[in-house]
Amino acid sequence: KAGVTQTPRYLIKTRGQQVTLSCSPISGHRSVSWYQQTPGQGLQFLFEYFSETQRNKGNFPGRFSGRQFSNSRSEMNVSTLELGDSALYLCASRAVAKNIQYFGAGTRLSVL
Amino acid sequence: AQSVAQPEDQVNVAEGNPLTVKCTYSVSGNPYLFWYVQYPNRGLQFLLKYITGDNLVKGSYGFEAEFNKSQTSFHLKKPSALVSDSALYFCAVRGISSGSARQLTFGSGTQLTVLP
Repeated sequence: KAGVTQTPRYLIKTRGQQVTLSCSPISGHRSVSWYQQTPGQGLQFLFEYFSETQRNKGNFPGRFSGRQFSNSRSEMNVSTLELGDSALYLCASRAVAKNIQYFGAGTRLSVL
Repeated sequence: AQSVAQPEDQVNVAEGNPLTVKCTYSVSGNPYLFWYVQYPNRGLQFLLKYITGDNLVKGSYGFEAEFNKSQTSFHLKKPSALVSDSALYFCAVRGISSGSARQLTFGSGTQLTVLP
């Protein structure tokens, strides 16, 4: 079974631009969560989607948004990029009524 | 709000020696506890979990963890460390109440270095 796939792996953007990151969950998993990892703040929860609906949201500004499609694939969008948005963005998927989240390799975003 | 503390940023151990990576947590109600490992430029890999039952949990690659409710701890252990165990280890907690408490809250991570 294929794991969680995130694309692209690396991304370089400039301040003020917007970016879209993609996540394909493990087949059959309907829950997708997004996390931001930085050296200073560690791993922080962004949001979770289940069956195309946002279930939970972390403490991030409205510039961070996401969505989930009917095939459970998810995208995360960051608008008006700031230097502080430079981070590793991790996606994790989980099967219904299961407790383990499985993570992708992440997208490394650098904002210049 | 739930929280996780990993008091050691760095743990060094000699190959073949036992290792312990410490974790304490705070959560309302019974916790779901997890350990993940991260290798450079990679995502997080699941090692083990505690949901209920036996306080000693066995996981992948020879790792185990001991749940201690009175001390609110969930320390990760391995009887004999390997150089290949060198990585960044994260402890995480998930509450069972509704809303954001059901999300994973991670500790700050502990860098484990196993010296040959």
